[in-house]
Amino acid sequence: QKEVEQDPGPLSVPEGAIVSLNCTYSNSAFQYFMWYRQYSRKGPELLMYTYSSGNKEDGRFTAQVDKSSKYISLFIRDSQPSDSATYLCAMASYNFNKFYFGSGTKLNVKP
Amino acid sequence: SQTIHQWPATLVQPVGSPLSLECTVEGTSNPNLYWYRQAAGRGLQLLFYSVGIGQISSEVPQNLSASRPQDRQFILSSKKLLLSDSSFYLCAWSTGRTEAFFGQGTRLTVV
Repeated sequence: QKEVEQDPGPLSVPEGAIVSLNCTYSNSAFQYFMWYRQYSRKGPELLMYTYSSGNKEDGRFTAQVDKSSKYISLFIRDSQPSDSATYLCAMASYNFNKFYFGSGTKLNVKP
Repeated sequence: SQTIHQWPATLVQPVGSPLSLECTVEGTSNPNLYWYRQAAGRGLQLLFYSVGIGQISSEVPQNLSASRPQDRQFILSSKKLLLSDSSFYLCAWSTGRTEAFFGQGTRLTVV
């Protein structure tokens, strides 16, 4: 079983839709959770960073962590064509020496 | 502020030739450094990570090696490239208590 599971998509939505991206994980030691956005042929850029359970909002983006279910989500409101990219979830445990990444979900927002 | 530099952006090398990819970080001291590989449409595969000068942990045994000759310099090498080494290589850093930040990547094609 992989440490982190993420649906690869692709996910295609119309402009303005609410997008929900999800990851599940198996290691209960994970405490730090991240979402990255990666455009084609570029390095991933950090979108959201959360610690433990709960919600965090930044503009149109909301990250949600449910440690009891080992499930994390990223919601994108009012999605834009510029949001079209691959979204990677990542997690780490307390010592942070290693990050565990999902395989990424490819999102396409149609104008 | 911290920045990460990775070069070259693209590289075409013949089979059997050596490889040297370099990554440097500015604006921080004693970072954790990482080399990842990403096949087309796939997630990130951790190759090596380093928590200090001369300290290298290998995640995937293969014909690649890594070195950290200076605090903020991380080098990925190979003595003889294989066709299967063609991929997108990413360098990243973290403070060991925060999220990872990525370089822009090197697209390596072995011909």
